[in-house]
Amino acid sequence: DTAVSQTPKYLVTQMGNDKSIKCEQNLGHDTMYWYKQDSKKFLKIMFSYNNKELIINETVPNRFSPKSPDKAHLNLHINSLELGDSAVYFCASSQDGGGDGTQYFGPGTRLLVL
Amino acid sequence: AQSVTQLDSQVPVFEEAPVELRCNYSSSVSVYLFWYVQYPNQGLQLLLKYLSGSTLVKGINGFEAEFNKSQTSFHLRKPSVHISDTAEYFCAVGGGSYIPTFGRGTSLIVHP
Repeated sequence: DTAVSQTPKYLVTQMGNDKSIKCEQNLGHDTMYWYKQDSKKFLKIMFSYNNKELIINETVPNRFSPKSPDKAHLNLHINSLELGDSAVYFCASSQDGGGDGTQYFGPGTRLLVL
Repeated sequence: AQSVTQLDSQVPVFEEAPVELRCNYSSSVSVYLFWYVQYPNQGLQLLLKYLSGSTLVKGINGFEAEFNKSQTSFHLRKPSVHISDTAEYFCAVGGGSYIPTFGRGTSLIVHP
């Protein structure tokens, strides 16, 4: 079984559209994350979320919003997509509260905005 | 506050040669240190980590790293690389209550 899964793997859409990316982890972890990786491979954290706290990177536009229906899922919703949103988005999870911080990453969602 | 500096954006090397990927960090508290590898078109996976104890840490695929507190470094090494080691390598600092901070990555390119 895949530990951290994301859907879809590829997403091609037009500017101005709204889209969602889904993430699920079956590791029983407390904390989930969303990262954006640009064309130069730079990883930028967007959100960190557990059942107690949402930490938002202040540089992330408010068009991006995480939604967590339960502990095992953290979806990413993006409104009014822009060309600059084209990137690879990674979901990750880790064990909070005594964990060593090791993160487990999903395979990524490649978003292309036309 | 934490930060990570990966000194080389790209490291080309011939197959079977040794390689060292450099990482320096800064943190105001005790840290955990990580190296992750990202193969083409895949997510990141853990190579190795330093939590405490022995400063020489061994990871998967023959990689090892040495924690040097006085130099605030955590360099990654492999004595003999293979074509299949071609990938992006990320150093990260974090753990405990801190959200991990990643370096900008080093692209290891292994030539035949």
